[in-house]
Amino acid sequence: GQSLEQPSEVTAVEGAIVQINCTYQTSGFYGLSWYQQHDGGAPTFLSYNALDGLEETGRFSSFLSRSDSYGYLLLQELQMKDSASYFCAVRPSSNTGKLIFGQGTTLQVKP
Amino acid sequence: NAGVTQTPKFRVLKTGQSMTLLCAQDMNHEYMYWYRQDPGMGLRLIHYSVGEGTTAKGEVPDGYNVSRLKKQNFLLGLESAAPSQTSVYFCASRGTSGYRSYEQYFGPGTRLTVT
Repeated sequence: GQSLEQPSEVTAVEGAIVQINCTYQTSGFYGLSWYQQHDGGAPTFLSYNALDGLEETGRFSSFLSRSDSYGYLLLQELQMKDSASYFCAVRPSSNTGKLIFGQGTTLQVKP
Repeated sequence: NAGVTQTPKFRVLKTGQSMTLLCAQDMNHEYMYWYRQDPGMGLRLIHYSVGEGTTAKGEVPDGYNVSRLKKQNFLLGLESAAPSQTSVYFCASRGTSGYRSYEQYFGPGTRLTVT
């Protein structure tokens, strides 16, 4: 089967750093993506890791360890607008671009 | 560019009725996807298409059919709606080459209630 595990909720204060973990078990693995979704709106792409290591995009960074089937999203200098749901998603094959999504982590940023 | 658009935004159906959800993209993307999202859950893939005239089943295809007659459009059909199909439906598209071709672009969603 295919499964992704991520915490259901995380709370942090404005200006802090938060890490959202994702572990996966899938029949194939081509890469790990992260998406953000505000209040049930359209999910938007944040980052993608195909190789081990850290990818940095502004305040957001994403890490992947293929040997551990593990990744995380790191959000720095948290702002109130970062309150949203964050989904990790595995790309199990290269030729279809399909994604298998985790159930999401709701991040609440407090003043 | 409008990106990915979905029609309608909201719909209420009675059990047994049928309907078609329309997804359109203006980015010349080859790949298109239909997902459903239930409360507190992630997105689950219903059907997808890797090009005009092609379709394939995703994780939860039962009760749905799709068609991709034109590259820019991907239609999702419910032949006989059931309350279990109450959900938010998202369409997404993805290119096959160039910068960030691994990124899926999502539409705003269709909120469907089946009573």
